[in-house]
Amino acid sequence: GDSVTQMEGPVTLSEEAFLTINCTYTATGYPSLFWYVQYPGEGLQLLLKATKADDKGSNKGFEATYRKETTSFHLEKGSVQVSDSAVYFCALSDHGNTDKLIFGTGTRLQVFP
Amino acid sequence: DAGVIQSPRHEVTEMGQEVTLRCKPISGHDYLFWYRQTMMRGLELLIYFNNNVPIDDSGMPEDRFSAKMPNASFSTLKIQPSEPRDSAVYFCASRATADLGNQPQHFGDGTRLSIL
Repeated sequence: GDSVTQMEGPVTLSEEAFLTINCTYTATGYPSLFWYVQYPGEGLQLLLKATKADDKGSNKGFEATYRKETTSFHLEKGSVQVSDSAVYFCALSDHGNTDKLIFGTGTRLQVFP
Repeated sequence: DAGVIQSPRHEVTEMGQEVTLRCKPISGHDYLFWYRQTMMRGLELLIYFNNNVPIDDSGMPEDRFSAKMPNASFSTLKIQPSEPRDSAVYFCASRATADLGNQPQHFGDGTRLSIL
């Protein structure tokens, strides 16, 4: 079945460092891909999305490009801030059943001043 | 616009007691999802509804769990009897139908449940 694999956390960075959180997926067909962010004590919020190959989603300085050839959707940010500290989830819409999202296990990001 | 509203935010109760979690989806959204989040198992989909009808409850762990959606603006997740291993954060999410594969789910802030 479809699945999402994320890098293990936590990822610990200093402020203004470059961020990459890896995400790869297994899916039949052409799923839509998402990154969600969860701040402490809150629910998940959509950060960005991409719906087809080579699309780039972007928001709040974060970017991710839908790479069909490598089945990847890595999250990047050029300069992180302390306020970016959160858990980041990669997800795909199940092609066989687009009602549902399949989530990765989440990657915790800790940014220190 | 109001987001997805869940209540209570925190619930602490003794094992064996009945627990009811509540969710109000975003107005106009016709999909509603219940998730459970734990350190060990991550984020798990328990059940989801479309137009108030349960579509897939394969994630419901056992018969002690039940969910209802009596109308478009309210859903409940009930655990009876509760057990310590049910301790988790339970999230409700809703989504609109249009453009099925691309619409994001909107999450509530969750209910943190502790069963003693």
